[in-house]
Amino acid sequence: SQQGEEDPQALSIQEGENATMNCSYKTSINNLQWYRQNSGRGLVHLILIRSNEREKHSGRLRVTLDTSKKSSSLLITASRAADTASYFCATDSSYGNNRLAFGKGNQVVVIP
Amino acid sequence: DTAVSQTPKYLVTQMGNDKSIKCEQNLGHDTMYWYKQDSKKFLKIMFSYNNKELIINETVPNRFSPKSPDKAHLNLHINSLELGDSAVYFCASSNRAYEQYFGPGTRLTVT
Repeated sequence: SQQGEEDPQALSIQEGENATMNCSYKTSINNLQWYRQNSGRGLVHLILIRSNEREKHSGRLRVTLDTSKKSSSLLITASRAADTASYFCATDSSYGNNRLAFGKGNQVVVIP
Repeated sequence: DTAVSQTPKYLVTQMGNDKSIKCEQNLGHDTMYWYKQDSKKFLKIMFSYNNKELIINETVPNRFSPKSPDKAHLNLHINSLELGDSAVYFCASSNRAYEQYFGPGTRLTVT
């Protein structure tokens, strides 16, 4: 079954603004990951947050995880035109089936 | 150095044909995957191999057959191609379900 439903689906912002995306999931997880996909390319891993972590930073990325609400958010600060991409969350279920369930993806367009 | 490579990048073929997509990873990972991404960018797992053993086999038509000759390679063979098979196919690798490394994708168009 597909977990991870990002919201909103599409976001258009000006360069320098912050972009926030949300992701919800349905089952218990070991970790939650965010990936970026540039047009015509494969997915690139951005950040992983474990189920016992609440917040994690990596450069201009900030991820939060609320396991009680089964949700996560990805914040990109001071966006750049190069951040234009689709962003996916993916969950690693606690059921140990050794797979990631990917969400539908958010399209982010950063206008220079 | 390419971590996960796929060939070909583009594949245009007619209905009914048989085609293969090859994938190789040089990361030393134990697990490899095939995903299908549709036109709405929905990413769906198809297969997963761990150390050459099939561990995930989603509800995929048996026209699709993965083959893993060794830990570094996972190929996908598709028989009797149909229009609905048109999509982008991604290979990925990882150690367990930690971060996955994706190939550049193979855009398959069936006419």
